[in-house]
Amino acid sequence: QVQLLQSGAEVKKPGASVIVSCTAYDYMFTNYGISWVRQAPGQGLEWMGWISVHDGNTNTAQKFRGRATMTTDTTTNTAYMELRSLTSDDTAVYYCARDHKYIYGWFDPWGQGTLVTVSS
Amino acid sequence: DIVMTQTPLSSPATLGQPASISCRSSQSLVHRDGNTYLSWFHQRPGQPPRLLIYKVSNRFSGVPDRFSGSGAGTDFTLKISSVEAEDVGVYYCMQATQFPYTFGQGTRVDIK
Repeated sequence: QVQLLQSGAEVKKPGASVIVSCTAYDYMFTNYGISWVRQAPGQGLEWMGWISVHDGNTNTAQKFRGRATMTTDTTTNTAYMELRSLTSDDTAVYYCARDHKYIYGWFDPWGQGTLVTVSS
Repeated sequence: DIVMTQTPLSSPATLGQPASISCRSSQSLVHRDGNTYLSWFHQRPGQPPRLLIYKVSNRFSGVPDRFSGSGAGTDFTLKISSVEAEDVGVYYCMQATQFPYTFGQGTRVDIK
């Protein structure tokens, strides 16, 4: 069954960094991209960025440039999103989603989400 | 960035009756390749979003045919022909024509 499994919940202090992982199962990992989307408590969805698994190209929303890094490891079929210099505004559920190579916005499946709580 | 505006933000629906959500973009979503990359997602509480529609009107695999998408340019609509109890939740449109991808604010659908 095609699925993305994300790492567990994290609690971080302001100023710290977090790495969220997203492991892909039952599809050719390099044939798709991965997008990262976050959702603050009670709020809507916010697209953070995208990585092409095939060649490592990325596009990161301006808001996160310099603070977020997206990478993949094709030996373990895992995508990673690192977010640095955390503040309380980064408290959110972070999702990865498989992103079709040629049909932009075709996001399926999504990971189950990783709650990142930033608190002193 | 392209701003996506959904209306209404809340929609009390009646079981068995139709429902409709509008999504408007601040600029045309026609990509240079000629396609329009407008998607719709449905999110139930505590769950990740689920793809319903891609490229304006293409129903994703397994999505019931009571869901349909339409529109062009800057104006798009998601219609549910006959609302069922499982359709409650929040619906989001998203444009993927231009980076950064952007979502609408979300429309909450509940049952009257």
